[in-house]
Amino acid sequence: GAGVSQSPSNKVTEKGKDVELRCDPISGHTALYWYRQSLGQGLEFLIYFQGNSAPDKSGLPSDRFSAERTGGSVSTLTIQRTQQEDSAVYLCASTKSPATDTQYFGPGTRLTVL
Amino acid sequence: GENVEQHPSTLSVQEGDSAVIKCTYSDSASNYFPWYKQELGKGPQLIIDIRSNVGEKKDQRIAVTLNKTAKHFSLHITETQPEDSAVYFCAARVNYGQNFVFGPGTRLSVLP
Repeated sequence: GAGVSQSPSNKVTEKGKDVELRCDPISGHTALYWYRQSLGQGLEFLIYFQGNSAPDKSGLPSDRFSAERTGGSVSTLTIQRTQQEDSAVYLCASTKSPATDTQYFGPGTRLTVL
Repeated sequence: GENVEQHPSTLSVQEGDSAVIKCTYSDSASNYFPWYKQELGKGPQLIIDIRSNVGEKKDQRIAVTLNKTAKHFSLHITETQPEDSAVYFCAARVNYGQNFVFGPGTRLSVLP
């Protein structure tokens, strides 16, 4: 596709359930980032993938959060045993390579935990 | 680690006036400073950026200035238009391949 896509666009879940959020980066982009944006707040870094290197997981808030990137392309962010404080918009971005700077963001997934 | 502050949190200007948003950063090693515009329901979009070896950069009505000594950088929008209304985020990054640290955002409203 022409840009970064994310699915679903909206997800409503009950507290304690697991959720999976998907990101399709721009074709050929080697770097992929996940961010969390709480209502009216800035972007909180979660995790960064670059090619086949070990991901930078330093931003994950707890061990309930995990992410993987299969085949260097699609990425899935998984939140286990969701809590109400996990409610936020989850944004994905990709860059062409680690030597370039421009991040292209997807539209985000709005997660609501009831 | 890096910390980025941004002011003001909200800004209202009359159409045609200028708008200025300021950010400060804490890590003197940061060398790349992008600005993003986020419209309602959309992801952030890069509008302008500046590197630490440059003091100012301009693109039509948008300009960014950087003061490395003071560790602050600013976004300037001239001749504002209603379509400039959005949330603007600044960010800082130390090195290629490292994560970005974002400011909390400024909600800009351009009143017709």
